[in-house]
Amino acid sequence: DAKTTQPNSMESNEEEPVHLPCNHSTISGTDYIHWYRQLPSQGPEYVIHGLTSNVNNRMASLAIAEDRKSSTLILHRATLRDAAVYYCILRDEGNTPLVFGKGTRLSVIA
Amino acid sequence: DAGVTQSPTHLIKTRGQQVTLRCSPKSGHDTVSWYQQALGQGPQFIFQYYEEEERQRGNFPDRFSGHQFPNYSSELNVNALLLGDSALYLCASSAPSGVNEKLFFGSGTQLSVL
Repeated sequence: DAKTTQPNSMESNEEEPVHLPCNHSTISGTDYIHWYRQLPSQGPEYVIHGLTSNVNNRMASLAIAEDRKSSTLILHRATLRDAAVYYCILRDEGNTPLVFGKGTRLSVIA
Repeated sequence: DAGVTQSPTHLIKTRGQQVTLRCSPKSGHDTVSWYQQALGQGPQFIFQYYEEEERQRGNFPDRFSGHQFPNYSSELNVNALLLGDSALYLCASSAPSGVNEKLFFGSGTQLSVL
């Protein structure tokens, strides 16, 4: 499985934008970039995914580098409810199992 | 519409015992996956069930087994429990196979082995 590298932790002030980086230098052409997050005492929840183009949804934006070796999850205005562990995962189009790393623990300060 | 539901929420067992965990998938979903999450780690894939068959399996011993019923609900069984089996067990469901189906996770069953 292609691997991803994320910082262990990040901190943000409430109502400010947050940029969560992910490196995936060994990504293959058929790998999609998925982001899930896990709030305290809950299971992971889907955030966003993309292949080559930048993607936006109601939760976040995903910016993908032109060479696809890195990506950034953008939360436009962090709230206290966004405090969670964020996982960047590569997954091919065949609905293979998600392979989680340790993710980035995001703390949001009021 | 209920999401993925798991039972029980917490369970305490002793070494050597057997345990069964249960999962009901989100309505309309036919594929169920199980994950184990140790404290401070990301979830690790155990296996996936589709059409009542184990379709994929992660690196877990045969002590871990499962079942899927005709209504798509699923059970995870662990035999001969070890202290190291203490973890949060997560069930995830997804819709009929398509490209990059999202997984929907339950809140998990916290298993403690003493």
